[in-house]
Amino acid sequence: EADIYQTPRYLVIGTGKKITLECSQTMGHDKMYWYQQDPGMELHLIHYSYGVNSTEKGDLSSESTVSRIRTEHFPLTLESARPSHTSQYLCASSERTSGSSDTQYFGPGTRLTVL
Amino acid sequence: KNQVEQSPQSLIILEGKNCTLQCNYTVSPFSNLRWYKQDTGRGPVSLTIMTFSENTKSNGRYTATLDADTKQSSLHITASQLSDSASYICVVSDRGSTLGRLYFGRGTQLTVWP
Repeated sequence: EADIYQTPRYLVIGTGKKITLECSQTMGHDKMYWYQQDPGMELHLIHYSYGVNSTEKGDLSSESTVSRIRTEHFPLTLESARPSHTSQYLCASSERTSGSSDTQYFGPGTRLTVL
Repeated sequence: KNQVEQSPQSLIILEGKNCTLQCNYTVSPFSNLRWYKQDTGRGPVSLTIMTFSENTKSNGRYTATLDADTKQSSLHITASQLSDSASYICVVSDRGSTLGRLYFGRGTQLTVWP
């Protein structure tokens, strides 16, 4: 069982609200990631971080922003939520090993619904 | 374009039966292939990981195979249980960047009936 946590698990909000999705891991992993997943579709990488003060945009364009002030914490923020942001958001982390052999450990996800 | 295609899209089997899920990929250069299990409303959990030189890898009742020449992989589930009901996602990693970019399939939704 991976020690990576996401809150809230479910969120229903109105259009225009500012929201922050929390993600924390206790494994000391340097790399962290945010994915967006719609039902029956593949995961899309929207943000990632190599470590503290490092943030990069992923493959899928997103209006969200992230920050990495502490190793264990990687919050995602939407300044003004819209119905198009309705989706499942998954956070993941992995060790900073060389190459691409590191396994990503996923949190339980946040199901966001914007009305 | 790097892609990962999975089949079937969904599958229903009876408890105790075996099944095989397929994954075809075009990711290059290839680094490794993982199978993840994702329960409804949860994050994916890694089942197996195989590199270029590995043909088969087992994890309990789960056995994954890899044919790097044809770029195909399969996940065989033996003696299925109700708890096997989940989405099984094939994930291929390239070695063209330090990030080790992951390419996700859409998953096969497996339902095991009693």
